[in-house]
Amino acid sequence: DIQMTQSPSSVSASVGDRVTITCRASQDISRWLTWYQQKPGKAPVLLIFAASNLQSGVPSRFSGSGSGTDFTLTISSLQPEDFATYFCQQSDTSPWTFGQGTKVEIK
Amino acid sequence: QVQLVQSGAEVKKPGSSVKVSCETSGDTFHKYSIGWVRQAPGQGLEWMGGVIPFLDSAKYAQKFRGRLTITAAESTGTAYMELSSLRLDDTAVYYCATFYSNYFNYWGQGTRVTVSS
Repeated sequence: DIQMTQSPSSVSASVGDRVTITCRASQDISRWLTWYQQKPGKAPVLLIFAASNLQSGVPSRFSGSGSGTDFTLTISSLQPEDFATYFCQQSDTSPWTFGQGTKVEIK
Repeated sequence: QVQLVQSGAEVKKPGSSVKVSCETSGDTFHKYSIGWVRQAPGQGLEWMGGVIPFLDSAKYAQKFRGRLTITAAESTGTAYMELSSLRLDDTAVYYCATFYSNYFNYWGQGTRVTVSS
């Protein structure tokens, strides 16, 4: 199975900060990388697909980049509603696997 | 708008089975496959398997083969996930989600399954 490793596991940040989360795949997954946001007690929400494509309705402060094994999710100016846990997921090779999550907390 | 509505919380004994339903709206079954993802308390997300409704074709993660069955009833637009031989570590929230072009785009609200003796 392809292992997905996110870093950091948690980050403390303030409103307005720029936040970057990294996701590394254990093998080349091309651009088959998706990012989700999850708030406590809620289902995940799709943010970005195919590494850099913003899902309709997602604010433009979210962006994704990368290919191969290294990917990043960037929040350009953190807003109060962005405090949540973020997961990456690869869909290059079944079984689809997720990163362990990165919790973005209020500083 | 795609909506996925899951059945309610369950409490089960070890060794028993649980069946969770996922009712979809509109023509969801003709557009998407349906996947199942679980999340143990305080943990990450784990893909279990999925089904292509109009082909009635299911695929499972190796970890769950032999005790997981995913089906889809096209007449009602409802997908089902049945997990047997339940263990304590199957305690989790189970989500159904539509799978489109290699990502999960719409999610159900989740169903909490507690396995306890």
